[in-house]
Amino acid sequence: AQKITQTQPGMFVQEKEAVTLDCTYDTSDQSYGLFWYKQPSSGEMIFLIYQGSYDEQNATEGRYSLNFQKARKSANLVISASQLGDSAMYFCAMRGGTSYDKVIFGPGTSLSVIP
Amino acid sequence: DTGVSQDPRHKITKRGQNVTFRCDPISEHNRLYWYRQTLGQGPEFLTYFQNEAQLEKSRLLSDRFSAERPKGSFSTLEIQRTEQGDSAMYLCASSLRSTGASYNEQFFGPGTRLTVL
Repeated sequence: AQKITQTQPGMFVQEKEAVTLDCTYDTSDQSYGLFWYKQPSSGEMIFLIYQGSYDEQNATEGRYSLNFQKARKSANLVISASQLGDSAMYFCAMRGGTSYDKVIFGPGTSLSVIP
Repeated sequence: DTGVSQDPRHKITKRGQNVTFRCDPISEHNRLYWYRQTLGQGPEFLTYFQNEAQLEKSRLLSDRFSAERPKGSFSTLEIQRTEQGDSAMYLCASSLRSTGASYNEQFFGPGTRLTVL
C-alpha cells in the first residue's frame, strides 16, 4: 500500500527566508509521481509542483523546488524567499501503481510566515 | 470563471437526511474525482470517473454514498441517511487524461462543507 508521511504538523519561517517541508513516502511501485499542493484558509487546493519517479532532475517551479531523494524515498518541498501569502497548509501527495490517477495525500504541514 | 465549481458551498443537515452535492468540472476535462477531507487531515480519495464511467471506488465509499456522472460532464455525490461522521469537506477535482502525458494535474474546486447535526 502507498503511504505519505509528513512529520511536521506546524512550521514557522521568517519572511524572505527559505523553508523546507518534509515528506517521505512508501510504495512498492517502480513508476509513481509525487505532488505538492497548497491549501490556504479559503479551502481550495492549489497545485504547486510535480516530480515523476523517473525524472532525473529535481522539479522546480518559480520559488518552489522539490528535493527528490529516491533511495531515501523523500520528496521535500523547498520554498525560497517566503512571503506572507505562503501561510497555508501544504500537502504532499503521490499517485502510482495500478490506479495511476488515484492520488494519496499526506496529513499536511501548516506553514506560518512571520513578518 | 472556467475553474471547477461545486454547489452548495455549505450544507447543514440533520442526521438521517439525504444530501446531494454537485460538481461542474473544467469543460474539456474527461476525468472527475471526489475526495473527502476531515479537519486536520489531507483529502481522502473517494471515487473517480472517466467520462461517464466510474472507474474506481474507495472502501470509504459505503453503500450510503453514490456518485454519478450521467453525461460525462457534471457529477453528483449523494449521501443517504447521513451520520455525524459524514461531516467533512467534500472536494471535487478534474483533469484531462491524455495519452503520453507524464501526469495529469488535478484542478480542485472550492469544496462543499457538510455539517451533520
